[in-house]
Amino acid sequence: SQTIHQWPATLVQPVGSPLSLECTVEGTSNPNLYWYRQAAGRGLQLLFYSVGIGQISSEVPQNLSASRPQDRQFILSSKKLLLSDSGFYLCAWSHSGAYEQYFGPGTRLTVT
Amino acid sequence: QQQVKQSPQSLIVQKGGISIINCAYENTAFDYFPWYQQFPGKGPALLIAIRPDVSEKKEGRFTISFNKSAKQFSLHIMDSQPGDSATYFCAARLSGSARQLTFGSGTQLTVLP
Repeated sequence: SQTIHQWPATLVQPVGSPLSLECTVEGTSNPNLYWYRQAAGRGLQLLFYSVGIGQISSEVPQNLSASRPQDRQFILSSKKLLLSDSGFYLCAWSHSGAYEQYFGPGTRLTVT
Repeated sequence: QQQVKQSPQSLIVQKGGISIINCAYENTAFDYFPWYQQFPGKGPALLIAIRPDVSEKKEGRFTISFNKSAKQFSLHIMDSQPGDSATYFCAARLSGSARQLTFGSGTQLTVLP
């Protein structure tokens, strides 16, 4: 069976500091990978998606970036965090070509 | 045109009652409509999904009703239980897109014991 991991689970960072969130998927090959952000009490906003190693598509212009250095690893980064970057960051995966999308446990980021 | 509008924003139901959450869309190119359940501090979990070629899908106490002509779909939770208290999101996916799901804004369901 497939499993998706995210770490850290929670993170408190000062404004202007860098960010690196990691997501890995086990039990599948060549998945589609996604980064979403969920603001408090709000819906999910897609940030990035990837259909393969090194292939990243951005949905929302911002100070965040994503990378996929390995088939089942997806990283969300920032060079300088803003207060508005606070939120619940969710990684998701799907089989290539499949409809169903599965979410990880999330990372709660608080920028102070 | 890629929006999915979800209502109500919050819903309070007595134990044993029926919870109904509605979603509407405009883009007829959507071809997959899932519902997700999210508990506080957790990632959303896929609950049930439907394709537009059927009008209803039932899994246990959860049913999706789909009205293609009205471009609306809804989630019905029969015999609602306090353990069903969570936030529910509808979503839709564009045909042929590897991109993403477009999510509704969520409904916070509270089932009173």
